Amino acid sequence: DAKTTQPPSMDCAEGRAANLPCNHSTISGNEYVYWYRQIHSQGPQYIIHGLKNNETNEMASLIITEDRKSSTLILPHATLRDTAVYYCIVRGGEYGNKLVFGAGTILRVKS
Amino acid sequence: DAGVIQSPRHEVTEMGQEVTLRCKPISGHNSLFWYRQTMMRGLELLIYFNNNVPIDDSGMPEDRFSAKMPNASFSTLKIQPSEPRDSAVYFCASSLAQGAGNEQFFGPGTRLTVL
Repeated sequence: DAKTTQPPSMDCAEGRAANLPCNHSTISGNEYVYWYRQIHSQGPQYIIHGLKNNETNEMASLIITEDRKSSTLILPHATLRDTAVYYCIVRGGEYGNKLVFGAGTILRVKS
Repeated sequence: DAGVIQSPRHEVTEMGQEVTLRCKPISGHNSLFWYRQTMMRGLELLIYFNNNVPIDDSGMPEDRFSAKMPNASFSTLKIQPSEPRDSAVYFCASSLAQGAGNEQFFGPGTRLTVL
């Protein structure tokens, strides 16, 4: 079962930052927060992951609260091609190989 | 660099036929995963391998499904006999190693339709 809660959908204006929230109040100390997205008819695409600290890469930033019970994925300048389903996944421990996908958030970027 | 490669991309077959899906992981990756996506159940893990050895097959729906990884660069998922309820998109993913800190990279998927 998914350990995260995400809003079912969000809209964002093109060129603006998209901030996607995720609640994971039961996360354990050795569990990572992962974000993937799936553009229609394509395979899930890895975006970013983190354990405790905030992370940034060429695609996005991940902000994790100090108590680790929630996080936000930030796409700094959303484009139409960022329209997709975004999945927040909690994945844990040395043997936490499973990615358990929930329903995700449908992000619609509009011009 | 080539990502995860899957073939065929689309497969249409009749109920009762054998279906074989193929996957080539990213070179150098030691863990390989098979997922299935349907509208009803979403994305779910079927089985994964580490160093060519099956580690967890608890997601395999029934004995009609089998998976093999004869070497580090090739894996198959076989369904025999196929049924209409097996219609889904099947994804293969690979990661550098097992463990929660290693991101998985997905292939484009095989869309299977069983008539």
